[in-house]
Amino acid sequence: AQTVTQSQPEMSVQEAETVTLSCTYDTSESDYYLFWYKQPPSRQMILVIRQEAYKQQNATENRFSVNFQKAAKSFSLKISDSQLGDAAMYFCAYRLPLRNQGGKLIFGQGTELSVKP
Amino acid sequence: DTEVTQTPKHLVMGMTNKKSLKCEQHMGHRAMYWYKQKAKKPPELMFVYSYEKLSINESVPSRFSPECPNSSLLNLHLHALQPEDSALYLCASSRGINGNQPQHFGDGTRLSIL
Repeated sequence: AQTVTQSQPEMSVQEAETVTLSCTYDTSESDYYLFWYKQPPSRQMILVIRQEAYKQQNATENRFSVNFQKAAKSFSLKISDSQLGDAAMYFCAYRLPLRNQGGKLIFGQGTELSVKP
Repeated sequence: DTEVTQTPKHLVMGMTNKKSLKCEQHMGHRAMYWYKQKAKKPPELMFVYSYEKLSINESVPSRFSPECPNSSLLNLHLHALQPEDSALYLCASSRGINGNQPQHFGDGTRLSIL
């Protein structure tokens, strides 16, 4: 069975600093997709960044980047120049291709990030 | 602003009531999802619809009844709920159920069962 583990229930970062959130996953598949979602207190789950397992290049979206280590099954999220609006619960998620379980999204337990001014 | 609209935002109901949650998207997506989320926990998948057909039911109790009248609308009918059903109910949509097509979430309906 596929599992996603986020080992840091809470993290804190100073405004303008950099923080890295950890995520590991367990799978026997070679083809899959990884996502980071952000959920602020407003409740909406917002897609932050995604990575295809077949791509070696790490995905980046402005201040957000990932360190994808396929052999180690690790998918960490780096937030640079942290802003107060980055404070949220961050979920790492894993998804199989269509042929497996209809593309079901499997979430980690989440990391609550606080940003100090 | 979210492109997936859920109504109502809050709902309080008794255990004998019947109510419905509504979800709407106009992005042309053909896959829609219901999730249940408890506080400080990840969302748990309940149902998946693909091209208006139910493709996944994660062994959800029959007191939750999904309906997909058309490709833009998804309903969740509620009947005889239990206090443990109090949670945030999230709707999501995606272009399809292929793994590389990200899900877009609504703001959720906060449900409280008295």
